[in-house]
Amino acid sequence: EPEVTQTPSHQVTQMGQEVILRCVPISNHLYFYWYRQILGQKVEFLVSFYNNEISEKSEIFDDQFSVERPDGSNFTLKIRSTKLEDSAMYFCASRHRGGAGYTFGSGTRLTVV
Amino acid sequence: AQKVTQAQTEISVVEKEDVTLDCVYETRDTTYYLFWYKQPPSGELVFLIRRNSFDEQNEISGRYSWNFQKSTSSFNFTITASQVVDSAVYFCALSVLGNNNNDMRFGAGTRLTVKP
Repeated sequence: EPEVTQTPSHQVTQMGQEVILRCVPISNHLYFYWYRQILGQKVEFLVSFYNNEISEKSEIFDDQFSVERPDGSNFTLKIRSTKLEDSAMYFCASRHRGGAGYTFGSGTRLTVV
Repeated sequence: AQKVTQAQTEISVVEKEDVTLDCVYETRDTTYYLFWYKQPPSGELVFLIRRNSFDEQNEISGRYSWNFQKSTSSFNFTITASQVVDSAVYFCALSVLGNNNNDMRFGAGTRLTVKP
């Protein structure tokens, strides 16, 4: 069964550093998403991406965040200058056109020290 | 605006008990999807079910069953004869088809502990 692949599974970074979280969505999916889950809390929507641009973003997704689909397969989330409160699990998801079924990746656990 | 409420923060049961996890949602849209996900200690989100707003039939899958009631905006999840392996955090989520984004909004989750 097709999967959404996220790398790395765990990343530790120093406060103020830039991090890039990588995702490979399912190949024929057209809609891409990033979600965040701070430890012990709910899963929160960050951003959706369609047709090579952001289609919606939440209030969490401030200027420190950016997303990109640099080639035909990867979908990345960049945090420019990490803060301690960025420590969380980040989930990537993708969806086919017209489908309501999301496929989530297994997540990247980001720890900012 | 979309909102999902899971009022039960934590539930603890003894193995073989039945347990129901509540989910209440809010949306002004008439076309939407409801989901349940399981998050085991390993952290991944495991898809359990998707239900669209036009299908109010209840569903049973093994020990799992779901009760969708549009009249009360609820989509409750029952585990029959619970097992220790059912211990996890369970999330209810809502996705609206009113726009292309179709982004998913999650409830706060219910932590279920099943004791042997």
